[in-house]
Amino acid sequence: AQTVTQSQPEMSVQEAETVTLSCTYDTSESDYYLFWYKQPPSRQMILVIRQEAYKQQNATENRFSVNFQKAAKSFSLKISDSQLGDAAMYFCAYRSRRNTGKLIFGQGTTLQVKP
Amino acid sequence: EAGVAQSPRYKIIEKRQSVAFWCNPISGHATLYWYQQILGQGPKLLIQFQNNGVVDDSQLPKDRFSAERLKGVDSTLKIQPAKLEDSAVYLCASSVRGMAYEQYFGPGTRLTVT
Repeated sequence: AQTVTQSQPEMSVQEAETVTLSCTYDTSESDYYLFWYKQPPSRQMILVIRQEAYKQQNATENRFSVNFQKAAKSFSLKISDSQLGDAAMYFCAYRSRRNTGKLIFGQGTTLQVKP
Repeated sequence: EAGVAQSPRYKIIEKRQSVAFWCNPISGHATLYWYQQILGQGPKLLIQFQNNGVVDDSQLPKDRFSAERLKGVDSTLKIQPAKLEDSAVYLCASSVRGMAYEQYFGPGTRLTVT
């Protein structure tokens, strides 16, 4: 069975600085998707960035980028130029290309942004 | 485009009572998911529908939880009887048919069982 681990329960960053959130996963599959989701307090979860395992190039979405290390089964999220609105819980998630589409989530990392 | 709607947003019940949650997915989304998110944990899939058929309910506690998606549109998740450990946020998500498509989440229903 696949598992996702986020070892940083809480992180903090100064506004305008850069922060990296860590995620590792375990799978025996070679083809899958990885995601980072953002869940602001009392608001709904939204997709931040997606990575397809067969693509070697790291995904980038504006200030958000990932470092995907397939052999190490590592998938970290880098947030550049942090903004107050980035404060939220961030979840790393895995989806097999073979299963029904369910997401397997990590435990989450709470990001605090200090002005 | 309207997002995924859920109601109620909050619910407090006593143990052994029953409760129902409602979800209306984004129009045209064939796939609907119910997740349970216990405080301090990531969401866990309870059940997945493709149109009005169940695709995956392997982690649904079937002795107390039930769900239906009549007519392949909105869905109801029921707990009867509730236990203290059912206190959680229940998230509904939907996606266009196919695994490659993004799941859109609703705001969730926060259930407290006392």
